[in-house]
Amino acid sequence: NAGVMQNPRHLVRRRGQEARLRCSPMKGHSHVYWYRQLPEEGLKFMVYLQKENIIDESGMPKERFSAEFPKEGPSILRIQQVVRGDSAAYFCASSAAWQGNTEAFFGQGTRLTVV
Amino acid sequence: AQTVTQSQPEMSVQEAETVTLSCTYDTSENNYYLFWYKQPPSRQMILVIRQEAYKQQNATENRFSVNFQKAAKSFSLKISDSQLGDTAMYFCAFMKHGGSQGNLIFGKGTKLSVKP
Repeated sequence: NAGVMQNPRHLVRRRGQEARLRCSPMKGHSHVYWYRQLPEEGLKFMVYLQKENIIDESGMPKERFSAEFPKEGPSILRIQQVVRGDSAAYFCASSAAWQGNTEAFFGQGTRLTVV
Repeated sequence: AQTVTQSQPEMSVQEAETVTLSCTYDTSENNYYLFWYKQPPSRQMILVIRQEAYKQQNATENRFSVNFQKAAKSFSLKISDSQLGDTAMYFCAFMKHGGSQGNLIFGKGTKLSVKP
């Protein structure tokens, strides 16, 4: 049973390009969470999705960032027109139910570098 | 708004010794969850231990235990018989109970080094 899979592990983008980060949850998990970790900081919540629905996007920047979790396929975090400040590690977690009642498992993250 | 504070940016301990990592939080909620996560150099976030605020008994997982003081809003992690593999960043995290809130609020972390 594979864990949460994130790809790519490392992504380099030039300023102004788009970044697409993928997250395949653990088998049987329908809840996905995205977090961002800036250097020397803890993880900061971005968005919580269930299949085809955004449940809580209170941590998402208002512009350039979007997330989806389609019926089929991985969850995608999309950052348009990246800037240097978007450089960070982006983590995805998944759980079988709302993560207060059950453990959420994290992927190994995608390290985004904007040059 | 909830906040989580880890006041020890770095700590070190000798192998086989015991170390305690501090965490305090601020909330007006009465029911919530608290977590400790470990992040080794591989960057994988690994759940170490979880505590439900309505439970009086401190959670324990093998060599890891917590001291949960609800009135003081304190949630420290004790690691007994430290091992070299315990070297990692440790993050304390808070989550509200109920509703559609799925988000964990993390502290800034404590870097723990276990020395041989």
